[in-house]
Amino acid sequence: SYELTQPPSVSVSPGQTARIACSGDALPKQYAYWYQQKPGQAPVVVIYKDSERPSGIPERFSGSSSGTIVTLTVSGVQAEDEAEYYCQSADSSGTWVFGGGTKLTVL
Amino acid sequence: EVQLVQSGAEVKKPGESLKISCKGSGYSFSTYWIGWVRQMPGKGLEWMGIIYPGDSDTRYSPSFQGQVTISADKSISTAYLQWSSLKASDTALYYCARVGGYSHGSAGYFDYWGQGTLVTVSS
Repeated sequence: SYELTQPPSVSVSPGQTARIACSGDALPKQYAYWYQQKPGQAPVVVIYKDSERPSGIPERFSGSSSGTIVTLTVSGVQAEDEAEYYCQSADSSGTWVFGGGTKLTVL
Repeated sequence: EVQLVQSGAEVKKPGESLKISCKGSGYSFSTYWIGWVRQMPGKGLEWMGIIYPGDSDTRYSPSFQGQVTISADKSISTAYLQWSSLKASDTALYYCARVGGYSHGSAGYFDYWGQGTLVTVSS
């Protein structure tokens, strides 16, 4: 079955830039989406269609795509950004899939 | 304001049946796909499937096809997730979520989420 691969964890100091990669063979042909999930809360979409930011999401969140890898970038990380981040896309048949999640730790 | 309100936590025994619900408000329920996501304790998100309440067109993840049934009643703006025979491995938090953008064969995404329903299956 199709998989999206993310690193289990990323750590940065406040004010630094965090980059979380997500790889998948179908990503050149399917949009990617990113969700933030804090403990005890439902996920929130922070990036849609590779690089679009929903209203209400801070400008420090951005997304990019290059071939089979999409990347979520958080510039000027703040303590409140500590959370689990999931990429999501679909395989060639349109079955949606989530990545395994990346724990962003703000040191 | 878009809201998805899910039914309360359930504690069931293996072999029992269960149907949990998700009521949408603040938007045209019939014209947006709505889906279900599983999160097992301490684990990541898993896409289970989506349904279009307008005509009940349903898409399942191969991992959940035949294991659960997704349905919707547009007259009361409610989506459902049901099991005919629960297993201990069904213990998880289940989220419903509205699909923000989708076309057949493509990746869509969830733009609004319910609060989650915790299902515990234990003898």
